[in-house]
Amino acid sequence: GIQVEQSPPDLILQEGANSTLRCNFSDSVNNLQWFHQNPWGQLINLFYIPSGTKQNGRLSATTVATERYSLLYISSSQTTDSGVYFCAVANTGTASKLTFGTGTRLQVTL
Amino acid sequence: DGGITQSPKYLFRKEGQNVTLSCEQNLNHDAMYWYRQDPGQGLRLIYYSQIVNDFQKGDIAEGYSVSREKKESFPLTVTSAQKNPTAFYLCASRYAGNEQFFGPGTRLTVL
Repeated sequence: GIQVEQSPPDLILQEGANSTLRCNFSDSVNNLQWFHQNPWGQLINLFYIPSGTKQNGRLSATTVATERYSLLYISSSQTTDSGVYFCAVANTGTASKLTFGTGTRLQVTL
Repeated sequence: DGGITQSPKYLFRKEGQNVTLSCEQNLNHDAMYWYRQDPGQGLRLIYYSQIVNDFQKGDIAEGYSVSREKKESFPLTVTSAQKNPTAFYLCASRYAGNEQFFGPGTRLTVL
């Protein structure tokens, strides 16, 4: 099946700093989603981005499908950004089934 | 409010017991999913259903069973055959497009 690798596994930032999270995947995809898992375990949808670039406030994401990677940018980080960020993908032809990476754990400190 | 609800939030089970986790959605979504998350890991797919009265196994279906008798509901039963059931269980749903949305999860602990 498709493989998903996220980097870095852990990231500690001071409030106000910027960061880039990376997601590499091993095959063509027709679904790529970025999630933020908060301390209570809730998965919050950040982006649905199988290709192209999107922005939502301080967050933006870019997926280069031909090169099989996606980037999540967090600017001017805040303590509320802390948590685990997951990338999940689904193959062309198996659009129902998400495969998750192991996540990037982000801690934003004052 | 539209959304996905899961109950209970916390569940404790004795070894050898079957337990059923509830997942309900009022989003009129056709497809529903169950995922399992172990500490420090990503989610793994247990079962999914794209229409009522039909469901398919995911990557880790052994020891679990599901039903889809109503569009709004997709309960998951963790049977005594599941060797290591302690985990965080998340339900998701999807409409016609590909984007999935998740419920708040159920934490299951086997005593």
